[in-house]
Amino acid sequence: GNSVTQMEGPVTLSEEAFLTINCTYTATGYPSLFWYVQYPGEGLQLLLKATKADDKGSNKGFEATYRKETTSFHLEKGSVQVSDSAVYFCAVPNFGNEKLTFGTGTRLTIIP
Amino acid sequence: DVKVTQSSRYLVKRTGEKVFLECVQDMDHENMFWYRQDPGLGLRLIYFSYDVKMKEKGDIPEGYSVSREKKERFSLILESASTNQTSMYLCASSYLAGRTDTQYFGPGTRLTVL
Repeated sequence: GNSVTQMEGPVTLSEEAFLTINCTYTATGYPSLFWYVQYPGEGLQLLLKATKADDKGSNKGFEATYRKETTSFHLEKGSVQVSDSAVYFCAVPNFGNEKLTFGTGTRLTIIP
Repeated sequence: DVKVTQSSRYLVKRTGEKVFLECVQDMDHENMFWYRQDPGLGLRLIYFSYDVKMKEKGDIPEGYSVSREKKERFSLILESASTNQTSMYLCASSYLAGRTDTQYFGPGTRLTVL
């Protein structure tokens, strides 16, 4: 089945720093790719997604570009805020069905 | 807005007890999922349902069963709880069977088995 490898955490940054969280995937075909975020004490919620190669997903200042050449979907933000402190999960569908395979998650802490 | 609710935020049970975790979604979604979340392991799928009374095993079904008698409700059952089932349990739903759609998650139930 499809799989995803995500950058290990935890990651600690100062406010207004640039953020990159790496995600690479192994998949059959060209599935949609997802980033989910989990804020403290909450369930996961969709942060952004891209449905085809070269698409850029964006939301709340975060961006990720679907790169089929490098099989990557890295998450970036130009200037992080304390409120971005959360756990971030990269996800890829299992081929041909409704299930998602999630990465292990990257815990991000932003310090003022 | 889609809402997925779980019956408890925190639960403490004893080894050998039968445990029920309930999940309800209010958006007529066909698919429902149960995951467990453990540090360093991410989310692992326990069971999945794509219709009433239909279910599929996920990656780690051992020690668990599920029930979906109504479209909006998906229950996870621990037949005889064990300490290694102490974890965060997350329920999710998505719109259509046979498609990859955004999954909507509940807030989670943190289960401790003593």
